[in-house]
Amino acid sequence: DGGITQSPKYLFRKEGQNVTLSCEQNLNHDAMYWYRQDPGQGLRLIYYSQIVNDFQKGDIAEGYSVSREKKESFPLTVTSAQKNPTAFYLCASSMPGQRKLFFGSGTQLSVL
Amino acid sequence: QKEVEQNSGPLSVPEGAIASLNCTYSDRGSQSFFWYRQYSGKSPELIMSIYSNGDKEDGRFTAQLNKASQYVSLLIRDSQPSDSATYLCAVNSLYNNNDMRFGAGTRLTVKP
Repeated sequence: DGGITQSPKYLFRKEGQNVTLSCEQNLNHDAMYWYRQDPGQGLRLIYYSQIVNDFQKGDIAEGYSVSREKKESFPLTVTSAQKNPTAFYLCASSMPGQRKLFFGSGTQLSVL
Repeated sequence: QKEVEQNSGPLSVPEGAIASLNCTYSDRGSQSFFWYRQYSGKSPELIMSIYSNGDKEDGRFTAQLNKASQYVSLLIRDSQPSDSATYLCAVNSLYNNNDMRFGAGTRLTVKP
């Protein structure tokens, strides 16, 4: 079945540690996105990528980094510079020219 | 002013009633409008999209768009307990087709 797979489902970060969230899709979608969701707030865009080897910052990119070496994969690294990383992280993808977003199941990141 | 505003709720309706969810947006040039349903701890799922003024019906769901007044609404007829979820309004950014702006969501509870 086609879809978007995020892993892990739960992740814990220690002070000063970088952690990487995985996002893989087999929908053959060109565009991929990372959103952050905090309780009681809407989704906020961290980074997006329209094609391989290219990505753009969203509204809250500070403290995060991404790569897009393969069409299927768009990992997100939460660096130690992100002082408030506790949130629900959602990866999404879409077809070119279409605005419908397909979401992965999410990763809940917490700080130890 | 938030770009996309929704009443956070909770909105509670009895089973079989009509649930009415409202959303206003600030970007007058927005072109595309979406309603996502999100169950607790899960990822958002697209249930309706609307692009032109008027009503769009899909089963028990009706989306209504009024661009002059900058609001979009979602009606759920014959509400079921399984409709209990948070409903996110999303608006496509005028300046960037890859940037979807989300409201904070309205939590709906349908009581048996």
